[in-house]
Amino acid sequence: AQTVTQSQPEMSVQEAETVTLSCTYDTSESDYYLFWYKQPPSRQMILVIRQEAYKQQNATENRFSVNFQKAAKSFSLKISDSQLGDAAMYFCAYRRRWDSGTYKYIFGTGTRLKVLA
Amino acid sequence: DADVTQTPRNRITKTGKRIMLECSQTKGHDRMYWYRQDPGLGLRLIYYSFDVKDINKGEISDGYSVSRQAQAKFSLSLESAIPNQTALYFCATSDSGGASYEQYFGPGTRLTVT
Repeated sequence: AQTVTQSQPEMSVQEAETVTLSCTYDTSESDYYLFWYKQPPSRQMILVIRQEAYKQQNATENRFSVNFQKAAKSFSLKISDSQLGDAAMYFCAYRRRWDSGTYKYIFGTGTRLKVLA
Repeated sequence: DADVTQTPRNRITKTGKRIMLECSQTKGHDRMYWYRQDPGLGLRLIYYSFDVKDINKGEISDGYSVSRQAQAKFSLSLESAIPNQTALYFCATSDSGGASYEQYFGPGTRLTVT
């Protein structure tokens, strides 16, 4: 069975600095998607970035980028120029690519990011 | 307007009461999910539905039931609420034929059982 592990329950970063959140996963599949979701105090789950496993290039969305290491099954999120609005809980998630009619989304336990002014 | 809505946003109820949480979506997605979020445990799947006639149990379905009234509506019921069902509940949708593959979440319902 697939699993997703976020080993950092909480992290802090100084405003304008860079922080990296870690995520590892376990799967026997070769084709899948990985996601980072942000949950601010408003509780809304917001997609930050997605990565297709068949793509070697790391995904980037403005200040957010990932370091996808497929062989190591690692999917870390880097936030550059951290802002106070980045303070949130961040969840890593996995999804099998191919549709077999079964449930496919697996979430990690989350990392709470604090941004210090 | 939000694509995925949940009602109520907050609810306090007493042990033993029956309660229903409702979810509606305007995204036209065929797949809908109910999750529960607890501190330190992340999101855990309660039930999911791939179409109106398809309902499946997730990893923590005991004490819960669901109804898919239409493609756009998916309700979660607690038949007899107990305090350890106090949690944040999320509804989510996804599209089996879409290109983006992610789930879209509602704003969540904070449920407290006293």
